[in-house]
Amino acid sequence: DSGVTQTPKHLITATGQRVTLRCSPRSGDLSVYWYQQSLDQGLQFLIQYYNGEERAKGNILERFSAQQFPDLHSELNLSSLELGDSALYFCASSVRGLANEKLFFGSGTQLSVL
Amino acid sequence: DAKTTQPPSMDCAEGRAANLPCNHSTISGNEYVYWYRQIHSQGPQYIIHGLKNNETNEMASLIITEDRKSSTLILPHATLRDTAVYYCIAHTGGFKTIFGAGTRLFVKA
Repeated sequence: DSGVTQTPKHLITATGQRVTLRCSPRSGDLSVYWYQQSLDQGLQFLIQYYNGEERAKGNILERFSAQQFPDLHSELNLSSLELGDSALYFCASSVRGLANEKLFFGSGTQLSVL
Repeated sequence: DAKTTQPPSMDCAEGRAANLPCNHSTISGNEYVYWYRQIHSQGPQYIIHGLKNNETNEMASLIITEDRKSSTLILPHATLRDTAVYYCIAHTGGFKTIFGAGTRLFVKA
């Protein structure tokens, strides 16, 4: 158990809909990361937050947004969903997001857009 | 962040050492080399990381060449449960780098 909690584990929805994925980092970790993994593809970095502030942005679509709340949990909002958004979405956390810190990953949310 | 190159797949016999190479020829002086693995569709799991020196922990050893342009992850006694995709990453933090395709390691009985 990594200590990172993601909910829900599975999500099935229709095209055009909006969903929210939730992540609770390990106790004491201030930095949260979101990754997308499509079928048979590597992990695509989406966005990183540190103590409530956006720190780094990757290939995140404009239809997607995220935030980190004062209690340090984070939410990834996906809107106007398309079939291609079907993927595993992972959240990870680290203490401060520095180069010499390892990431702890959650077990992911499997999103299926039908 | 430096780009890394790994072989797409490797086989290893159970009980033998698995040596997974990674090329990061454009790595800069402040970039760490990290290794993670992903078993099936589980969340990636940290294995080991290093900057210049070789490192060893309870899971594996990391050998970094003197010029830091390549590294090798060593699983000393591979088991069937080590079958996974292994990702090598070189970065300065922020994890903006795509993990890449990694190396799919098959441990065979």
